[in-house]
Amino acid sequence: KAGVTQTPRYLIKTRGQQVTLSCSPISGHRSVSWYQQTPGQGLQFLFEYFSETQRNKGNFPGRFSGRQFSNSRSEMNVSTLELGDSALYLCASSLRRELYGYTFGSGTRLTVV
Amino acid sequence: QKEVEQNSGPLSVPEGAIASLNCTYSDRGSQSFFWYRQYSGKSPELIMSIYSNGDKEDGRFTAQLNKASQYVSLLIRDSQPSDSATYLCAVNLSNTGNQFYFGTGTSLTVIP
Repeated sequence: KAGVTQTPRYLIKTRGQQVTLSCSPISGHRSVSWYQQTPGQGLQFLFEYFSETQRNKGNFPGRFSGRQFSNSRSEMNVSTLELGDSALYLCASSLRRELYGYTFGSGTRLTVV
Repeated sequence: QKEVEQNSGPLSVPEGAIASLNCTYSDRGSQSFFWYRQYSGKSPELIMSIYSNGDKEDGRFTAQLNKASQYVSLLIRDSQPSDSATYLCAVNLSNTGNQFYFGTGTSLTVIP
């Protein structure tokens, strides 16, 4: 059974650019969440999608957005990149997160220069 | 108070000892609790879940939950160098629309 797949694995972008990250959840998982991980802040919740609907949103500026498609694949977009957006972005999927927790992808390492 | 708090460590234990990792959470109504392990440069992997007060054992790992004290812990018996990692506590917080919150993690080093 394939795990959570995130693409690309690494990205280098310039300040002011925008970026789109992709996530394919485990087959059958309709819940997908995104997290930002930095050394100082740990795992910060970005948003959660379930059946194409955003169910929860973390405390991030509007430059961070996401969506989920009918096949449960998800994308997140960051516009007008800032140096502080450099982080590991993790996607996680679950059948029912309150019962089974999340399975994480390998992440996308974004560096903003 | 943060939603989920962990001692950041680092925690060092000798090989064969018991490592004890602790986590407190803010919402008394929370029902689901998870422990993740994250090796350096890797993504978190789920190692334990617990929902009821008391202990839950899985091999060398024991999760302990005390809802009255809003406290969850992870014990690792017979610690091995391969257990050296950051351990993350995660809680499904009912007062935030069931958002899944993570603590900042505790770094564990097992010394051979």
